Amino acid sequence: AQSVAQPEDQVNVAEGNPLTVKCTYSVSGNPYLFWYVQYPNRGLQFLLKYITGDNLVKGSYGFEAEFNKSQTSFHLKKPSALVSDSALYFCAVRDIRVGNTPLVFGKGTRLSVIA
Amino acid sequence: GAGVSQSPSNKVTEKGKDVELRCDPISGHTALYWYRQSLGQGLEFLIYFQGNSAPDKSGLPSDRFSAERTGGSVSTLTIQRTQQEDSAVYLCASSSPSGRSYNEQFFGPGTRLTVL
Repeated sequence: AQSVAQPEDQVNVAEGNPLTVKCTYSVSGNPYLFWYVQYPNRGLQFLLKYITGDNLVKGSYGFEAEFNKSQTSFHLKKPSALVSDSALYFCAVRDIRVGNTPLVFGKGTRLSVIA
Repeated sequence: GAGVSQSPSNKVTEKGKDVELRCDPISGHTALYWYRQSLGQGLEFLIYFQGNSAPDKSGLPSDRFSAERTGGSVSTLTIQRTQQEDSAVYLCASSSPSGRSYNEQFFGPGTRLTVL
């Protein structure tokens, strides 16, 4: 079975400060990992993904995420937060053995960046 | 190119009525997914189509829910005899034709369904 946990429902950070949105996962095999962002009244927008290789993945809008196999984590990070980063963030996982099947999503973390 | 589109963007209906939600995937994408997003509940998988294979219906919450995909492109999600607990945002996504498991899904803007 596959699952994702986002332990924080809400993260608040001051503009200009670094931000971290946490994600841990569980799969039987090896994972492919994804981050999506959802702005109000919009669908989900792909940010970045981990497939293999370098554990630090860089994505859109200055976001990056670090894959840590021993801790089964894939935390989303940004060195300097912007007010426009305020949104709902979803982590997702897929076991590499299961083909193009639906991603399994976490419940989401609402990021609020305060000016 | 055009992304995933969904219609209507908003639907208000009365309890007991049937509704149809439409999804137009990205051209050429063979995989199509329906999810439901309820307040505070994250994304709940409903149904998945991959090419000409039989759909994976394992996420449908009851037999009032059904979906079809015509010609390998447009999909319609139908909810019969709607209940208030069906109120949610219904999201459609599609994925590229290579079938590789590292392909990301591209989401439409969703249909917000309100059952009165």
